[in-house]
Amino acid sequence: AQSVTQLDSHVSVSEGTPVLLRCNYSSSYSPSLFWYVQHPNKGLQLLLKYTSAATLVKGINGFEAEFKKSETSFHLTKPSAHMSDAAEYFCVVSDRGRNAGNMLTFGGGTRLMVKP
Amino acid sequence: DADVTQTPRNRITKTGKRIMLECSQTKGHDRMYWYRQDPGLGLRLIYYSFDVKDINKGEISDGYSVSRQAQAKFSLSLESAIPNQTALYFCATSDPSQGAGHEQFFGPGTRLTVL
Repeated sequence: AQSVTQLDSHVSVSEGTPVLLRCNYSSSYSPSLFWYVQHPNKGLQLLLKYTSAATLVKGINGFEAEFKKSETSFHLTKPSAHMSDAAEYFCVVSDRGRNAGNMLTFGGGTRLMVKP
Repeated sequence: DADVTQTPRNRITKTGKRIMLECSQTKGHDRMYWYRQDPGLGLRLIYYSFDVKDINKGEISDGYSVSRQAQAKFSLSLESAIPNQTALYFCATSDPSQGAGHEQFFGPGTRLTVL
């Protein structure tokens, strides 16, 4: 079985300061991990993904995440927040030991607020 | 990005009514999915289809049914809607030929309210 825990339901930062969105996962097999972003009234857009290559993954819009197997974590970071980063972020795990990509398990989401 | 479209975008209905949500895609992907999103719960899988002849139940299929009319179309039906089916519904597609960890592409969502 696989599961995802996003440790903060809401995160508030000031524009220009660093962003940290925390995610812990559990998986019986070697996982693929994703971060998706959902802007208001929009669908989900892929920010980045980890699939067993480099543990530090760079995504769009300056975001990156580091896969730490020993800590079962996949935290999302960005050095400097922009107002346009305000959205809901989902950490997602997929079990690559089975039919890859068909069984995604989502975390509960973290709403990022960016203050001017 | 209009590659995955959903209709309607918003729907208000009454308890006991039958309702169908439709999803179409122009990405040419074989795999399609239906999810519902509830606050604090993320997205949960309702049904998924690997191709036109292969349909599978997801985590929360009770009260829902689906139809894969063609590679490009995947419909979700609520036979007799109830208030706790009020949620945001997403359709998604994926292409397994992209390898392990291939991403899913999501439609814009349908907001359903059952009174």
